[in-house]
Amino acid sequence: QSVLTQPPSVSGAPGQRVTISCTGSSSNIGAGYDVHWYQQLPGTAPKLLIYGNSNRPSGVPDRFSGSKSGTSASLAITGLQAEDEADYYCQSYDSSLSGHYVFGTGTKVTVL
Amino acid sequence: QITLKESGPTLVKPTQTLTLTCTFSGFSLSTSGVGVGWIRQPPGKALEWLALIYWDDDKRYSPSLKSRLTITKDTSKNQVVLTMTNMDPVDTATYYCAHRRSFYGSGSYQGYFDYWGQGTLVTVSS
Repeated sequence: QSVLTQPPSVSGAPGQRVTISCTGSSSNIGAGYDVHWYQQLPGTAPKLLIYGNSNRPSGVPDRFSGSKSGTSASLAITGLQAEDEADYYCQSYDSSLSGHYVFGTGTKVTVL
Repeated sequence: QITLKESGPTLVKPTQTLTLTCTFSGFSLSTSGVGVGWIRQPPGKALEWLALIYWDDDKRYSPSLKSRLTITKDTSKNQVVLTMTNMDPVDTATYYCAHRRSFYGSGSYQGYFDYWGQGTLVTVSS
């Protein structure tokens, strides 16, 4: 029931730059709600990667950056590293139906 | 240091009610802006937000599951409980609880999940 759409997969060679899109609608991202990103390594719980569209929590490398425009957001990974191979999810808030949180469909990043 | 841990049955039968407990430390659920949410992930699938309870006892539920979910808190015990009725095999998933942090962004107070429990796998099968 995800209302935020992400590409199923993206890939890149070590050192390259990859981007992941997160497309929402006028009741979530387009309504002004911020987008947050999580990284999930295999077999582990999700980890906060970006909050408030573009802010990195302490300890997150500056290779990760986020942006938002209109009804979409993007996560960019520059200088791709082997340890970046993981699933990535965007998250926001939706004002419809009394308000609820929403996650994206998830994107698998593969390092070639 | 904020920690959360989920507990509950690993196996439930179809039509039964699931009760999961999130026990946390390092914060108080009576602090303004704080919340605890539940998120699940079926094997090999995406994250799905289920419910969230705020410090003031306000509650939000996934619209598609609202009729089956109840979230409550016990501030004195530092626990949040999620119940889900009428369990079905499609509800088989890892269930996570997470700390919701409030911040002021883009002109309003919003929230994100900055600390997560390790998750607990719940299998629904007869």
